[in-house]
Amino acid sequence: EVQLVASGGGLVQPGESLRISCAASGFTFGNYWMHWVRQAAGKGLVWVACLTPDGMSTSYADSVRGRFTVSRDNAENTLYLEMDRLRAEDTAVYYCTRGPIGMTTIADYWGQGSLVTVSS
Amino acid sequence: QSALTQPASVSGSPGQSVTISCTGTYSDVGGHNFVSWYQHHPGKVPKFMIYEVNKRPSGVSNRFSGSKSGNTASLTISGLQAEDEADYYCCSYTDSNTWVFGGGTKLTVL
Repeated sequence: EVQLVASGGGLVQPGESLRISCAASGFTFGNYWMHWVRQAAGKGLVWVACLTPDGMSTSYADSVRGRFTVSRDNAENTLYLEMDRLRAEDTAVYYCTRGPIGMTTIADYWGQGSLVTVSS
Repeated sequence: QSALTQPASVSGSPGQSVTISCTGTYSDVGGHNFVSWYQHHPGKVPKFMIYEVNKRPSGVSNRFSGSKSGNTASLTISGLQAEDEADYYCCSYTDSNTWVFGGGTKLTVL
């Protein structure tokens, strides 16, 4: 069974940093693109970032480029999102998703989400 | 990266059909056949319904279909059922090698 379990969310102050993780199981993690998608309370889904199966190439939404870094450890089956210089508008539930093989889309499986709250 | 434009809400009675539009530009929806649709019941994780404009993953009902004309993609749900009531989001690949979602559409089954 495919599972994506996000962790590491919490309350931080504006300007601080936070790293969230997504532990993958039930599939060969190193074969898949992975993405982060976020959703603020009462708002819509927003694509944040993605990276290739080997972790060598990444892409970011304009709103986070230069502040967020996506990475992965294929030996540990874990996806990361390092968030720096956090702002109040980064407050959201962050979902990790698996980009399916053979289908050009961002997600066939979603993690349960990790809540990040940026507030003083 | 402006969000794709979706109607805030649509509604229909059980058994009817509804169509949700998703309008972008030639840099995203119009320029690529990589539009997906997701169903999101509040409190649950989103569900993958359509990919590459009109393809259904296994397990998704054939009541759900996708199409595209120019810069506008559409999701049609036929034979509406109560369990179809949810938020629906489109998502497209862009010329910038990024992805962009629509603002979401709340479907109400009357």
